[in-house]
Amino acid sequence: DAKTTQPNSMESNEEEPVHLPCNHSTISGTDYIHWYRQLPSQGPEYVIHGLTSNVNNRMASLAIAEDRKSSTLILHRATLRDAAVYYCILPPYGAGNMLTFGGGTRLMVKP
Amino acid sequence: EPEVTQTPSHQVTQMGQEVILRCVPISNHLYFYWYRQILGQKVEFLVSFYNNEISEKSEIFDDQFSVERPDGSNFTLKIRSTKLEDSAMYFCASSASGTRAYEQYFGPGTRLTVT
Repeated sequence: DAKTTQPNSMESNEEEPVHLPCNHSTISGTDYIHWYRQLPSQGPEYVIHGLTSNVNNRMASLAIAEDRKSSTLILHRATLRDAAVYYCILPPYGAGNMLTFGGGTRLMVKP
Repeated sequence: EPEVTQTPSHQVTQMGQEVILRCVPISNHLYFYWYRQILGQKVEFLVSFYNNEISEKSEIFDDQFSVERPDGSNFTLKIRSTKLEDSAMYFCASSASGTRAYEQYFGPGTRLTVT
């Protein structure tokens, strides 16, 4: 499996943009990049995924480097509700769709 | 918006007892999963289930664990003889097929406490 590296924690001010980085230098050509988050006392929540092009949805944007060795999850305006652990995951293709959660980045949002 | 539901929200059981955790996945999803999270630790994959059979399981999912889809809506996880170390949050998830298979939707979890 491709390994991912994320900062342990980040802090943001409410209503400001947040850029959450992820390094995945051993990514293979067919690996999709997935982002999940886990709010306190809740189950993981799918955020976004992409392969090569930048992606946008109602929750966030995903910016993927041209060499695909890193990606950035962008929350355009952080709210207190966005305080969570954010996971960057590169699932192995075909392994029963198994998701492997690492330590993720704990995002703290200050009012 | 459709969601995954799980019951009960909290289950307390004595060591050695059998427990069944229940889940109702999103209705048009084809893949079903169980994950667990011991307090303060990472979310861990247990098993995936597709077309009425296990498609992948982790080392944690030993002979004490089993899964079943007894009807068209429920998906269950059974632990035959619980141990203290089985105490954890258990999350059920489901996903569609094809390129959306990794877009998994998780339930709120069942907190299992083994005493």
